[in-house]
Amino acid sequence: DGGITQSPKYLFRKEGQNVTLSCEQNLNHDAMYWYRQDPGQGLRLIYYSQIVNDFQKGDIAEGYSVSREKKESFPLTVTSAQKNPTAFYLCASSISRFNQPQHFGDGTRLSIL
Amino acid sequence: GQNIDQPTEMTATEGAIVQINCTYQTSGFNGLFWYQQHAGEAPTFLSYNVLDGLEEKGRFSSFLSRSKGYSYLLLKELQMKDSASYLCAVSLNQAGTALIFGKGTTLSVSS
Repeated sequence: DGGITQSPKYLFRKEGQNVTLSCEQNLNHDAMYWYRQDPGQGLRLIYYSQIVNDFQKGDIAEGYSVSREKKESFPLTVTSAQKNPTAFYLCASSISRFNQPQHFGDGTRLSIL
Repeated sequence: GQNIDQPTEMTATEGAIVQINCTYQTSGFNGLFWYQQHAGEAPTFLSYNVLDGLEEKGRFSSFLSRSKGYSYLLLKELQMKDSASYLCAVSLNQAGTALIFGKGTTLSVSS
């Protein structure tokens, strides 16, 4: 079955620590996205990538970094510079054409220890 | 800037019809999506509208008026499992560009 796999489902970060959230898709989609969701808030875009080896900052990129070395993979690193990382992180992918729906992974819930 | 407005919460009873409104002001517009999200889960795609008018998919329908910057999601014959958040999202003009999401409307269906 094709889909998007995010891991881990739950993650805890210590002060000053960088953590990496995994996102893998086997849908053969060109475009991939990372969103952050806080309680009572909509999805806010962190980073997106329309093609391998290229990515763009979204609205809240500060304190985060990404890479896109393979079409299937778009890992997100939450750095120590992100002072309020506790949130639900969602990865999505889509065909890179107009009005194609995004398909989401099951999310990673990140908390501070 | 981009602005998408939805009511925060709505309540309804089983078997009823509910309409969730969404208004948007964005720099460019290419289409509007509706997603359903159950608590703690990933959003799932429900529908999208590119042209003005009504799109029907079973119990769910979505309407768009581009001139008014307005859309609604209509849910008929409500079931308890329809209790969820409903997210309105706008696609801008560039292919592959991420969607701009509203804050979502939490719908509670009671018996």
